[in-house]
Amino acid sequence: ILNVEQSPQSLHVQEGDSTNFTCSFPSSNFYALHWYRWETAKSPEALFVMTLNGDEKKKGRISATLNTKEGYSYLYIKGSQPEDSATYLCAHQTGANNLFFGTGTRLTVIP
Amino acid sequence: NAGVTQTPKFQVLKTGQSMTLQCAQDMNHEYMSWYRQDPGMGLRLIHYSVGAGITDQGEVPNGYNVSRSTTEDFPLRLLSAAPSQTSVYFCASRYDPNGHSPLHFGNGTRLTVT
Repeated sequence: ILNVEQSPQSLHVQEGDSTNFTCSFPSSNFYALHWYRWETAKSPEALFVMTLNGDEKKKGRISATLNTKEGYSYLYIKGSQPEDSATYLCAHQTGANNLFFGTGTRLTVIP
Repeated sequence: NAGVTQTPKFQVLKTGQSMTLQCAQDMNHEYMSWYRQDPGMGLRLIHYSVGAGITDQGEVPNGYNVSRSTTEDFPLRLLSAAPSQTSVYFCASRYDPNGHSPLHFGNGTRLTVT
């Protein structure tokens, strides 16, 4: 993996479904992994910053895991709600001032 | 608490014109940065600053200048606008200049260069 890759690019789920997305990044030069939530017509908002292999973070129905050795992070949303509709960005931080963003996963939750 | 404020929200320029995108934050963050968002690409870092009087180049600095005379303000200057600079620009700040705290983003400036 040379760049930050996110999959899938877009996703439609029914209200109440649980879902997850993947962020893949180069496993070398790891400093931190960021997740942001970006609603249409707004600015990205931070969800999590993870720094240690095996880290798990949770905020309400959203959680994330991190595997730095193999270079991936998963974001999980339990019981999706329409207000969860947004683009979810991950960013791989390789040093204090180097943050590389993926292109995001666009989630649409259908009521 | 205003957070990160960007002005203007929209701007149309002709090729060769210059302009300044303004960014101000009221959180006393040392680190400030400018990103551009283009279709099909992730946010890309243009310039950043780790404190007043200190600036450095990011991934795509060509055609842009920055300065940091105060902790609060970090303007981005386009010296001679080109159509390739048509993009959405985001200013972002964070508390610790050398660590891994999350970024706080402004609402963006949509720039079109004709």
